[in-house]
Amino acid sequence: DVKVTQSSRYLVKRTGEKVFLECVQDMDHENMFWYRQDPGLGLRLIYFSYDVKMKEKGDIPEGYSVSREKKERFSLILESASTNQTSMYLCASSSPQGNTQYFGPGTRLTVL
Amino acid sequence: QKEVEQNSGPLSVPEGAIASLNCTYSDRGSQSFFWYRQYSGKSPELIMSIYSNGDKEDGRFTAQLNKASQYVSLLIRDSQPSDSATYLCAVTTAASYKLIFGSGTRLLVRP
Repeated sequence: DVKVTQSSRYLVKRTGEKVFLECVQDMDHENMFWYRQDPGLGLRLIYFSYDVKMKEKGDIPEGYSVSREKKERFSLILESASTNQTSMYLCASSSPQGNTQYFGPGTRLTVL
Repeated sequence: QKEVEQNSGPLSVPEGAIASLNCTYSDRGSQSFFWYRQYSGKSPELIMSIYSNGDKEDGRFTAQLNKASQYVSLLIRDSQPSDSATYLCAVTTAASYKLIFGSGTRLLVRP
């Protein structure tokens, strides 16, 4: 079974803090994704990566950056957290062949 | 027009009934179609994938795809209260790794 893990289930940060969200997958997948999910807005893609050190902007990249130094790990960085970044953050991975995405458990981030 | 559209619901059905969830998409180049189930506070989990026109059955679940009409549906037979969740439809094209998600349909199965 594919396993995608995220570093924290719940996180509380202060406005202006730098925040790191970590995601690790164990299926040797090339593709990894970061989404945020908000009530009424559904799942929105922030960034994705199709290979080590490669990244592409999704639909809402503003205020975020990512890092992929190793194939199994994809990090989402909030350079200076703001209250409007309070959300559920979901990581996913997929192989190029099937496009099926497998999700981690999610991190509920609250920025005060 | 949204790329993937779903009725937000809630769709309420009695236990044991068939629940029918529908999804339409706008990109005729879409080639892969997925249904995810998401319980409140949890992450989406894959239920079904379908790639060609027709029906695909897996246990109590049947996915139906009609590319000409640009819709995909999910039927849940013998619905159980544990099926109560939000169901997300997602599509992708051959040219992209990205999934486009609908906003989901909330299903309530009444005991």
